[in-house]
Amino acid sequence: DAMVIQNPRYQVTQFGKPVTLSCSQTLNHNVMYWYQQKSSQAPKLLFHYYDKDFNNEADTPDNFQSRRPNTSFCFLDIRSPGLGDAAMYLCATSRGGEPSTDTQYFGPGTRLTVL
Amino acid sequence: AQKVTQAQTEISVVEKEDVTLDCVYETRDTTYYLFWYKQPPSGELVFLIRRNSFDEQNEISGRYSWNFQKSTSSFNFTITASQVVDSAVYFCALIYSNTGNQFYFGTGTSLTVIP
Repeated sequence: DAMVIQNPRYQVTQFGKPVTLSCSQTLNHNVMYWYQQKSSQAPKLLFHYYDKDFNNEADTPDNFQSRRPNTSFCFLDIRSPGLGDAAMYLCATSRGGEPSTDTQYFGPGTRLTVL
Repeated sequence: AQKVTQAQTEISVVEKEDVTLDCVYETRDTTYYLFWYKQPPSGELVFLIRRNSFDEQNEISGRYSWNFQKSTSSFNFTITASQVVDSAVYFCALIYSNTGNQFYFGTGTSLTVIP
């Protein structure tokens, strides 16, 4: 009964080779987020979707793109991965209601290695 | 400027000891929301608690307790009778009411419980 699912858990790609990470949710939440977490650091928000509305963080590199074809799925596309993009990528969801009650729930993450 | 400070980078305790993880935050609004997440070695961020700024009541959940002190801008987390399964990185995080879903994470505290 996993609620936020990320596939694959481990992904290896080559320098410059496009890669797509997948996230799905069974919570029917309106908001889906992508975070990048490098070793021994806090997660860093890349962007999020509120329904179909895309919200990019100002310092997210253009190399990172996202798609949300429906409520359940959200994809992170890295167009030309560099060695510095090796990290854990976390997907999260939230209902998107009033901030006083809204909480983000995270998936298990995808650990990306760039060779 | 760091909005959430977790001064303890790493803590080691012997099983059954009590341990307190510190979290100090910057206040910019009168309304804000505080969170604690646990990240075990598997990588998933597990939601533990949220506290709204207008609710200073402390909370206890089993071996976990949280002490919210607005006067000192602190939201400390205590684990009583620690267990090996408590070994993880713990993140304190903050959302301001007027920044929607933007999490400000602390840098995390790595807790090791030694059997």
